[in-house]
Amino acid sequence: GQNIDQPTEMTATEGAIVQINCTYQTSGFNGLFWYQQHAGEAPTFLSYNVLDGLEEKGRFSSFLSRSKGYSYLLLKELQMKDSASYLCAGIYNQGGKLIFGQGTELSVKP
Amino acid sequence: EAQVTQNPRYLITVTGKKLTVTCSQNMNHEYMSWYRQDPGLGLRQIYYSMNVEVTDKGDVPEGYKVSRKEKRNFPLILESPSPNQTSLYFCASSSHRGMNTEAFFGQGTRLTVV
Repeated sequence: GQNIDQPTEMTATEGAIVQINCTYQTSGFNGLFWYQQHAGEAPTFLSYNVLDGLEEKGRFSSFLSRSKGYSYLLLKELQMKDSASYLCAGIYNQGGKLIFGQGTELSVKP
Repeated sequence: EAQVTQNPRYLITVTGKKLTVTCSQNMNHEYMSWYRQDPGLGLRQIYYSMNVEVTDKGDVPEGYKVSRKEKRNFPLILESPSPNQTSLYFCASSSHRGMNTEAFFGQGTRLTVV
């Protein structure tokens, strides 16, 4: 299968920077998404990476290394509202299959 | 407003009683997909559809059926629900086969099978 692995939970302080890592199997890989999901709500799109490198979007950045099967989501200037689950998802087989990691539960503390 | 609409939002049913969860999108998206979300397991893909009359199995298709007779609708059918299908279900849609575009998710259907 196309395992997607990410830490189960992380804790960070308001105003700080946090990096959430994700590793994935490279066979059949097309690209990688990051989604944010607040408790009881639907996931919402954060970023998509298909090429190596860093994509910056406001306080959030996402990085991809295709050769290493590795991605990370970087959150800067953390706010309390950033407390949520962050889902890493790889798209495989020419776009058909979207495989999610189990999600990283981020707690932002004052 | 662009949206994916699932119904019902909550459902409690009994083992073996057929049910359908509807999903409709108003964005003319080609790609639609169903997921279930369980604690500790994350989102797992059940079925997906690249276009009308084209459906494929995801990672956990057993016990589910889908159909894609028209572009906007992608219902999920449980012919004989069992307690292990108790879960939170999400429908999602995106353009262009799901590649390079964000997926829009419905608000979820919390299903309990007793």
